[in-house]
Amino acid sequence: EVQLLESGGGLVQPGGTLRLSCAASGFTFNNYAVSWVRQAPGKGLEWVSLISTGGGRTYYADSVKGRFTISRDNSKNTLYLQMNSLRAEDTALYYCAKERTPNYYGSGFDIWGPGTVVTLSS
Amino acid sequence: SYVLAQPPSVSVAPGQTARITCGGDNIGSKSVHWYQQKPGQAPVLVVYDDSDRPSGIPERFSGSNSGNTATLTISRVEAGDEADYSCQVWDSTSDRWVFGGGTKVTVL
Repeated sequence: EVQLLESGGGLVQPGGTLRLSCAASGFTFNNYAVSWVRQAPGKGLEWVSLISTGGGRTYYADSVKGRFTISRDNSKNTLYLQMNSLRAEDTALYYCAKERTPNYYGSGFDIWGPGTVVTLSS
Repeated sequence: SYVLAQPPSVSVAPGQTARITCGGDNIGSKSVHWYQQKPGQAPVLVVYDDSDRPSGIPERFSGSNSGNTATLTISRVEAGDEADYSCQVWDSTSDRWVFGGGTKVTVL
């Protein structure tokens, strides 16, 4: 079964750091670009970051650029999101999602994980 | 930055047709993808590349895209279609994914 499973969420203070992970299974992970998408409570979907198949290209939303770093370890079939200088507005459910088409981005996300919750609170 | 505009809500009676719009500057030149999200669940891709359906998605879901508006159409609406629907495009100018704000579909 094609699957993504996020982990690493939790309660953190403003200014703190957190590292999210997303474990992939059931497909050839290194053939697909993958993204992080978040959803604040009661709000819509917000794309956060994308990484290319080999990890050489990364893209970020303006709201997280310079604070978050996306990376992947294809030998471990795992995607990461390093989150630094966290703010109250980063509170959200964080999803990882894979592109529908291999070796391409812009094709839509056909598989999503269940998400992991990040909560900022002092 | 590229912006996608969706109506916050659409109401429809069972058996009728729901149309959800997604507005953007010359969106007809982009590929639009649509997601359904039910409470407590991850989004599900229901239409990709304007009008194609992933396997397992009923034919009742269809899409179109032209000019400044893309539309997701749900025919013969069922109670189980009640959900939030979001459109998405890849903005190649800024190399970013963009989501619309989402539309809550209520089945009366």
